[in-house]
Amino acid sequence: DQQVKQNSPSLSVQEGRISILNCDYTNSMFDYFLWYKKYPAEGPTFLISISSIKDKNEDGRFTVFLNKSAKHLSLHIVPSQPGDSAVYFCAASAGGTSYGKLTFGQGTILTVHP
Amino acid sequence: DTAVSQTPKYLVTQMGNDKSIKCEQNLGHDTMYWYKQDSKKFLKIMFSYNNKELIINETVPNRFSPKSPDKAHLNLHINSLELGDSAVYFCASSQGLTHTKTQYFGPGTRLLVL
Repeated sequence: DQQVKQNSPSLSVQEGRISILNCDYTNSMFDYFLWYKKYPAEGPTFLISISSIKDKNEDGRFTVFLNKSAKHLSLHIVPSQPGDSAVYFCAASAGGTSYGKLTFGQGTILTVHP
Repeated sequence: DTAVSQTPKYLVTQMGNDKSIKCEQNLGHDTMYWYKQDSKKFLKIMFSYNNKELIINETVPNRFSPKSPDKAHLNLHINSLELGDSAVYFCASSQGLTHTKTQYFGPGTRLLVL
């Protein structure tokens, strides 16, 4: 039972354009959401996060949008750069006794073409 | 200076063997985690430790035994290795158990059981 899903295995965009990565979740107890970026043979690195009390969080070229009613979040990268080519993981966590447990989606491979 | 390091990076072994993976963090964090990335690319939590105390044990077979000698180290020992144990194992750390704390990941250990 996958509680966090990234339905697009891959995405290809042109340099300078917008990249939009999507993520859906099913567990209504999730109240904190994160995006991690992963290069080959490296561990995931934290990119940006959003609390369920917000619907948008921005950090430079990266913006995360949260639609709680649809249980959907998206990551926008503007403008996209070739160095952004990586696997992007969406993750979610719940408060209470989850004690920091992150539930990950299966990742989306982003390729940014020069 | 690597924040979260794992050794070895690659591990190839025979079924039935016992092996250990080591993790060290120099971030001064008090919480450490083990995640497994399976063939379908999902990252799933296995264990977490806070101040050397086991917090999360995510229904992992008891062939897997984590050990935390101090706050900076979390090792993973696997007995009687099986083919299905082949995966990438990631160690992570964070400061505190609160679910909004960012987790920092190591580079991963690629385990192949033949």
